[in-house]
Amino acid sequence: AQTVTQSQPEMSVQEAETVTLSCTYDTSENNYYLFWYKQPPSRQMILVIRQEAYKQQNATENRFSVNFQKAAKSFSLKISDSQLGDTAMYFCAFSGANSKLTFGKGITLSVRP
Amino acid sequence: EAGVAQSPRYKIIEKRQSVAFWCNPISGHATLYWYQQILGQGPKLLIQFQNNGVVDDSQLPKDRFSAERLKGVDSTLKIQPAKLEDSAVYLCASSPRTSPLLYTGELFFGEGSRLTVL
Repeated sequence: AQTVTQSQPEMSVQEAETVTLSCTYDTSENNYYLFWYKQPPSRQMILVIRQEAYKQQNATENRFSVNFQKAAKSFSLKISDSQLGDTAMYFCAFSGANSKLTFGKGITLSVRP
Repeated sequence: EAGVAQSPRYKIIEKRQSVAFWCNPISGHATLYWYQQILGQGPKLLIQFQNNGVVDDSQLPKDRFSAERLKGVDSTLKIQPAKLEDSAVYLCASSPRTSPLLYTGELFFGEGSRLTVL
């Protein structure tokens, strides 16, 4: 069974600065997807960024980028130029051959003005 | 394009009562999921449907939870009788998965139904 670990329960960052959220996972599969989802307070969860395991290049979406280390089974999210609207809970998630999404416990990110 | 619709948004019940949640996925999405998210935790999969068939219900407490997707479109999740520990947000999600070539792993979530059991 796959597991996803987010060991930091919460982080805080000053507006306009950069923050990195950590995630590790465990799987015996070779082909899979990794995701970061964002869940703003009382709002629906949305996809921030996706990484296919077979791609060596790290995914980037505007201010969001990942550092994917397949051998180390590490998948961190970097948010550059943090904005107040980035305040949310962030979940790292794994999807393998069974198309089931397994989530970590999440991290609460607060962006300070 | 309309997103995943869920109702009700909020529900408060006494323990041992019953409750039902409804979900209508994005049109054309073959796969539907119900997740339970307890406060401060990540979502946990309860059940996964592919069209109107169950793919995975290994973590569904079948003595009190039931779910159906009779026509392969909308779905209902029922809890009867409810316990205090069932207080959570129940998230519905859907994904296309009409072809392995089109599969991206992304799920599209509804806003959730928040259940409080007193």
